[in-house]
Amino acid sequence: EIVLTQSPATLSLSPGERATLSCRASQSVSSYLAWYQQKPGQAPRLLIYDASNRATGIPARFSGSGSGTDFTLTISSLEPEDFAVYYCQQRSNWRRFTFGPGTKVDIK
Amino acid sequence: EVQLVESGGGLVQPGGSLRLSCAASGFTFSSYWMSWVRQAPGKGLEWVANIKQDGSEKYYVDSVKGRFTISRDNAKNSLYLQMNSLRAEDTAVYYCARELRLWHDYWGQGTLVTVSS
Repeated sequence: EIVLTQSPATLSLSPGERATLSCRASQSVSSYLAWYQQKPGQAPRLLIYDASNRATGIPARFSGSGSGTDFTLTISSLEPEDFAVYYCQQRSNWRRFTFGPGTKVDIK
Repeated sequence: EVQLVESGGGLVQPGGSLRLSCAASGFTFSSYWMSWVRQAPGKGLEWVANIKQDGSEKYYVDSVKGRFTISRDNAKNSLYLQMNSLRAEDTAVYYCARELRLWHDYWGQGTLVTVSS
């Protein structure tokens, strides 16, 4: 089973700053990694799929990169609505999904 | 517009049963794999189970195997999760989500299941 690790657990930043979130897989997942955003009381929202492709309607300030075991989600300039929890996710060959533990981006 | 609306959550005693439903609209339900994903209070996301378009394949996280059963009714555009032998650790918000390739592109708003005496 592939385990996803995210760092840091919490990122305290101010609006306008750049956010860099990391997701590491215990073995290679090629580029088959997704990122989700979740705000309090809301369902998760797909941000990035295939490591670097933005989902429909996702602003250009969100970008993803990486392959193999190391991945990064970058928010180029934080907007007030971007303060949330971010999860990475992969799907195994056996159609089972795993999520990382999440990174909370909060206001400094 | 794609919509997924869960229902059926509530308070149940340990060892009890509950059946969750998810009503889908705005897309061809029978063309997609569907998943249940849960989130314990204050915790992260955990995938629970998924089901193929025609119901012929089903997969579960180890912690619910033998206790939970996922099913679907394509004629009713509905997804279900039958949960038996419920435990305190099953307490969570349960989301139904549509699978697109290797991701979940649409999610419902969730339904809360609380297992407590």
